[in-house]
Amino acid sequence: ETGVTQSPTHLIKTRGQQVTLRCSSQSGHNTVSWYQQALGQGPQFIFQYYREEENGRGNFPPRFSGLQFPNYSSELNVNALELDDSALYLCASSLGTPGGAGELFFGEGSRLTVL
Amino acid sequence: GENVEQHPSTLSVQEGDSAVIKCTYSDSASNYFPWYKQELGKRPQLIIDIRSNVGEKKDQRIAVTLNKTAKHFSLHITETQPEDSAVYFCAASAFNNFNKFYFGSGTKLNVKP
Repeated sequence: ETGVTQSPTHLIKTRGQQVTLRCSSQSGHNTVSWYQQALGQGPQFIFQYYREEENGRGNFPPRFSGLQFPNYSSELNVNALELDDSALYLCASSLGTPGGAGELFFGEGSRLTVL
Repeated sequence: GENVEQHPSTLSVQEGDSAVIKCTYSDSASNYFPWYKQELGKRPQLIIDIRSNVGEKKDQRIAVTLNKTAKHFSLHITETQPEDSAVYFCAASAFNNFNKFYFGSGTKLNVKP
C-alpha cells in the first residue's frame, strides 16, 4: 500500500506567476482534499474532490482551482500568485462515502515560496 | 462555518508529566474530532480521534475527551516523553460534510528531559 505523495516538495515563484502542485492519493482512496498551512498555523481547507468532482470549497478565491483524475490523483493550480500564497500545501486522501467523514492521510506537502 | 479554537499555543512540560490541550468548536453539527501530530518538516499524522457518540477514548498514553454540550474536546498525554515533542492540531468535521476538516491553530508541545 503506497501513501500519499506530493510533488514538487519545494518551489519558488514570483508574484503573478502560476503554479501546479500534484498529489497521488493513497491506494484505494477516492477523495482528495487540499489544505494550505501558513507558517505557525493550522491547515486551512481549500477544496475537496470526490470521484473527479469538486465537493466542497473553503474560503479561497477562484484563482485556486483543482482537478481530480480517474486514478484519483489530483492537481492544485494557483494563478496570479500573491506573496500571501507562500505556505505549505498539503494534500490529504481518504476513503469518502456520501455523508461520511473518514481519516485523512496527509502527504509531506509542497512548500511554495512566492517572492 | 465551523470555528475551532485551540489552547494553549505552546506548552512546556517535564518528562514524565502530563500534558493537556483543549479545543472548542462552534458548529453543533460537527461529530468527528481527530487529533494530529506534526513533527518539524513532516506531515500531520493522526494520533487519536473521537466521534460524538462517545465521551472518551484512550489509546495507551493518549486519551481524548469530548463534551458535546459545552462543545469542547481535549487531548491528554500522560507520562510524556521527549519524542512527544511536536505540534499538535485538533480538528472538527461534520458527518454530512464529507471530509471537510476545520483545524485549530496548533499547540507546540516541548517535553524537557
